[in-house]
Amino acid sequence: GEDVEQSLFLSVREGDSSVINCTYTDSSSTYLYWYKQEPGAGLQLLTYIFSNMDMKQDQRLTVLLNKKDKHLSLRIADTQTGDSAIYFCAESYSGGGADGLTFGKGTHLIIQP
Amino acid sequence: GAGVSQSPSNKVTEKGKDVELRCDPISGHTALYWYRQSLGQGLEFLIYFQGNSAPDKSGLPSDRFSAERTGGSVSTLTIQRTQQEDSAVYLCASSLGLGGPYEQYFGPGTRLTVT
Repeated sequence: GEDVEQSLFLSVREGDSSVINCTYTDSSSTYLYWYKQEPGAGLQLLTYIFSNMDMKQDQRLTVLLNKKDKHLSLRIADTQTGDSAIYFCAESYSGGGADGLTFGKGTHLIIQP
Repeated sequence: GAGVSQSPSNKVTEKGKDVELRCDPISGHTALYWYRQSLGQGLEFLIYFQGNSAPDKSGLPSDRFSAERTGGSVSTLTIQRTQQEDSAVYLCASSLGLGGPYEQYFGPGTRLTVT
C-alpha cells in the first residue's frame, strides 16, 4: 500500500536552512507536494513537483526529488520564526482518475532564536 | 475571493448520536475532497467528488460514514451512531480539476469530539 514517511520534529536556529525529508513507497506517484499547516489554520500548499523533475526552486524554497530512492526534501533558506508550522509531504497519482492525496504524518518545524 | 468554508467549526456530540458536517467549496471548483486528521492516523483521505458523483467510497472508515454533494457545490459528510474513535478534525478541500497538478484548497476543518 501507499505510505509516506517523515520525521516528526525538526529544530533549527533562526537564519539557518531547514531541510525536511520525506520518503514514499508508491513508485507510480505522479505529483509530490509540500503543504504547510500553521497553528489553528488550514493546510496551505507550498509547492509541488512533477515526478519527471528532480528540482524545483521558488524563492526561499527548494524541492529536491530522488525518484530512484523515492526521497523528497524541502529546503527552506534563511528560516524565520514565521516558518514555524507543521510541514506535510503528500503524493498523488493521476492515472486518468482522481485520487486524494496521501499525506505523511507531518514534520513539526521548531525555530530557535 | 472566498475560500473553502466548513461548518460547524467545532462539534461536541455524545456517543451514538448522528452528526452532519458541511463543506462549501470555492465557486467553480468541480472536485471536492474529504479528509480526516487525527493524532494517531495523521491525515487520511476519505472520499472525493467529481461534480455530484463519488465513484470510490472505499476510503470511508465504516458504513456509518456517508457523504453527498448536491448541485456540484455544497457537500455534507454524515456520521451515524458516532463512536469515540470518530473524534478528529474533518477537512474539506476543493480544486478546479481532478488530481495533480490542480491545487487542493483546504478549509479550516470541523473539530469533532465524541464524548
